[in-house]
Amino acid sequence: IVLTQSPATLSLSPGERATLSCRASQSVGSYLAWYQQRPGQAPRLLIYDVSNRATGIPAKFSGSGSGTDFTLTIDSLEPEDFAVYYCQQRNRWPPLFTFGPGTRVDV
Amino acid sequence: EVQLVESGGGLVQPGGSLRLSCAASGFTIRSYWMHWVRQAPGKGLVWVSRISSDGIITSYADSVKGRFTISRNNAKNTLYLQMNSLTADDTAVYYCASGQPIRDWGQGTLVTVSS
Repeated sequence: IVLTQSPATLSLSPGERATLSCRASQSVGSYLAWYQQRPGQAPRLLIYDVSNRATGIPAKFSGSGSGTDFTLTIDSLEPEDFAVYYCQQRNRWPPLFTFGPGTRVDV
Repeated sequence: EVQLVESGGGLVQPGGSLRLSCAASGFTIRSYWMHWVRQAPGKGLVWVSRISSDGIITSYADSVKGRFTISRNNAKNTLYLQMNSLTADDTAVYYCASGQPIRDWGQGTLVTVSS
């Protein structure tokens, strides 16, 4: 399964809403996760199983979608939200994980 | 506090081998699937391999299958990645990570394959 993320770069201002897309080449069921990676840092899990927020993740982050089309929405961008966001899926068989190429959210 | 600390990275010549280790603290890895994920300089995340909590089930990305071997020692709370036949394309920061979905990440260890 190949994941495609769009746009590659999203240029927004603080306070705006970001809408990030992740499309799979075939259905991924409910196993779709989103990660945030700030410069020089390890990734951080934001959303798992399409729409569940990970522990400690604020409600401004939300995930939605099904089948092959998924969306990460970030409300009211703050300076620390400007980062790269990756979607990830897990195949049942073969049991492989795949990351999308990422969307950079820039000021 | 959950911590994953990778070690073993460094400079290696093409065709060489390295063994990465990942020491966990603040939790017991025996309950978790564990993963290795890599990131080439300036590039995106690439999943490399995973291993089941009991070490019986392993899977690999096609790009490393047959060259890399993931293993774990639950008694030592440590994850490993044996990397053989390394090429320049394997140059990356290698992250150790836990869970399914992947919840916790180490800070990574840099592997540079160059002559």
